[in-house]
Amino acid sequence: SQKIEQNSEALNIQEGKTATLTCNYTNYSPAYLQWYRQDPGRGPVFLLLIRENEKEKRKERLKVTFDTTLKQSLFHITASQPADSATYLCATYMNTGFQKLVFGTGTRLLVSP
Amino acid sequence: GAVVSQHPSRVICKSGTSVKIECRSLDFQATTMFWYRQFPKQSLMLMATSNEGSKATYEQGVEKDKFLINHASLTLSTLTVTSAHPEDSSFYICSASGRPWYEQYFGPGTRLTVT
Repeated sequence: SQKIEQNSEALNIQEGKTATLTCNYTNYSPAYLQWYRQDPGRGPVFLLLIRENEKEKRKERLKVTFDTTLKQSLFHITASQPADSATYLCATYMNTGFQKLVFGTGTRLLVSP
Repeated sequence: GAVVSQHPSRVICKSGTSVKIECRSLDFQATTMFWYRQFPKQSLMLMATSNEGSKATYEQGVEKDKFLINHASLTLSTLTVTSAHPEDSSFYICSASGRPWYEQYFGPGTRLTVT
């Protein structure tokens, strides 16, 4: 079956370091992969979208890579700050011919001062 | 741009009553709106998809008679939880997409508590 997975364990890093989060998918090939940030009690906030023909996308301190051979996307936050602490979700559209966005379980990032 | 609002942000209702949640796209026309539910420490689960002026498409296991969805205009969709029970208590989030279709923007969510 088609699955999208993220490391469910929280990632703890020191302020100023680069945080790297992983998203893996199996049994399908998404045309788009998206990353969202979600704070407790709030809806997800769109961060970046990367297409299957793009290897890398950047936005300020954020960088996303998309490796269709490994079926994996990496999400990097450089020079991390305590304000970056949140849960980060990856999401893709399943190959059902319909706009069904499926989310990974999310990885919680904790940036310590 | 691409702002989606939801109202109310929190609602408490008694078992057996109905509650309506509104979702609005404030600065764009949403051809499609989506309703998700999120339980604590879990990811978002799609409940239904609605296109303006047509009936919603519900995901497997979601009762369409319990979760009534109306998408009357390109900027407004409503979700009505009918005859609510405590197990319906959850965080309900809507999203909207316009152009391009693959970008979805989410509302802030509605915390529903059924007592």
